[in-house]
Amino acid sequence: AQSVTQLDSQVPVFEEAPVELRCNYSSSVSVYLFWYVQYPNQGLQLLLKYLSGSTLVKGINGFEAEFNKSQTSFHLRKPSVHISDTAEYFCAVSDIQSGANNLFFGTGTRLTVIP
Amino acid sequence: GAGVSQSPSNKVTEKGKDVELRCDPISGHTALYWYRQSLGQGLEFLIYFQGNSAPDKSGLPSDRFSAERTGGSVSTLTIQRTQQEDSAVYLCASSLAAGVEAFFGQGTRLTVV
Repeated sequence: AQSVTQLDSQVPVFEEAPVELRCNYSSSVSVYLFWYVQYPNQGLQLLLKYLSGSTLVKGINGFEAEFNKSQTSFHLRKPSVHISDTAEYFCAVSDIQSGANNLFFGTGTRLTVIP
Repeated sequence: GAGVSQSPSNKVTEKGKDVELRCDPISGHTALYWYRQSLGQGLEFLIYFQGNSAPDKSGLPSDRFSAERTGGSVSTLTIQRTQQEDSAVYLCASSLAAGVEAFFGQGTRLTVV
């Protein structure tokens, strides 16, 4: 089964500073990759996804992520964060090659934007 | 429905009792997932249904946990003889097809006292 590693459990960053949230997954030939966001006291919602094509994908709220096959990474970035970006961010992977198509999540990164 | 619906939203139960958690997926979605979210633990996979295939139960933590999906739609997660460590938010998600983005319900917060 796939595994997803989010090395940073908490990331504090000042408002308007750039941020990168790291995500690595266990190796596979074909994967779909996702970032989900969970705002305080709310459910999970999709931020962005990589299914195929361009390795740089753009999502909602100015976030983007780059799929790096050789490094098995899918790091999330934003050039300038806002207070409203304070939330928990989850990376997820689906292993297409195995045929299982299950969706595995990392342990999450709590982003705190400091005024 | 417009989104994934879970009921109840909150459930407090006594240790040793059985509980049933319900999930109504988005109409037409063939894949359905159950996860458990505990503080600081991320999303722990429990079980996955895909169409008429046998479910992937590899994430169920013990034989006290079981789940069904009737008619390819509604799913019920049952926890028997609940323990305090079962306290968590149980999340259900569905997707149009296997492996593509999943849409989540608001979850059921289970508290075992």
